[in-house]
Amino acid sequence: EVHLVESGGGLVQPGGSLRLSCAASGFTFRIYSMNWVRQAPGKGLEWVSYISSSSSTIYYADSVKGRFTISRDNDKNSLSLQMNSLRAEDTAVYYCAKEHLTAHAFDMWGQGTIVTVSS
Amino acid sequence: SYVLTQPPSVSVAPGQTARMTCERNNIGSKSVHWYQQKPGQAPVLVVYDDSDRPSGIPERFSGSNSGNTATLTISRVEAGDEADYYCQVWDSSSDLVVFGGGTKLTVL
Repeated sequence: EVHLVESGGGLVQPGGSLRLSCAASGFTFRIYSMNWVRQAPGKGLEWVSYISSSSSTIYYADSVKGRFTISRDNDKNSLSLQMNSLRAEDTAVYYCAKEHLTAHAFDMWGQGTIVTVSS
Repeated sequence: SYVLTQPPSVSVAPGQTARMTCERNNIGSKSVHWYQQKPGQAPVLVVYDDSDRPSGIPERFSGSNSGNTATLTISRVEAGDEADYYCQVWDSSSDLVVFGGGTKLTVL
């Protein structure tokens, strides 16, 4: 069974840093592109970042560019998101999401990890 | 910026057909994907590439995309279909993923 499990969320002060992780199982992780998507309290979905299967291609939403860094370890079946210079508006549930093999659609999501940026 | 417009809410009686739209100029040239999200849960992909269904998604869920409007249609609506629904595209011109604002489906 396909599983994505996020971890690393928590409470952090504005300007602080946090590193999120996503552990993947039940599929051949190394051949799929992966993404991070977030959802602020009571709001809609917002895409954060994309990484290709080999890490050769990476994209970021303008709202996080220069502050967040996505990475993956195909040997460990893991995806990460390093978040620096955090702001109150980064408060959200962060989901890792697996891409469909042939479409930029997200066919599997983790349960999410909560990030709260507050003093 | 690339904006996808969804109506905030749609209401339908059980057994009827719900249609939720996602609008953007010339969206018909894009592949549109749809997600269902129930309260406290992660989103679930229900339609991809305009009209394909992932395994396990009932045939009651269907999609179409033409011109300036993509549509998710749920036939024979059930109480369990009550959820937020989001459309999504990949904007290849800017290499960005874009979600619509979401539509809350209420089953009366």
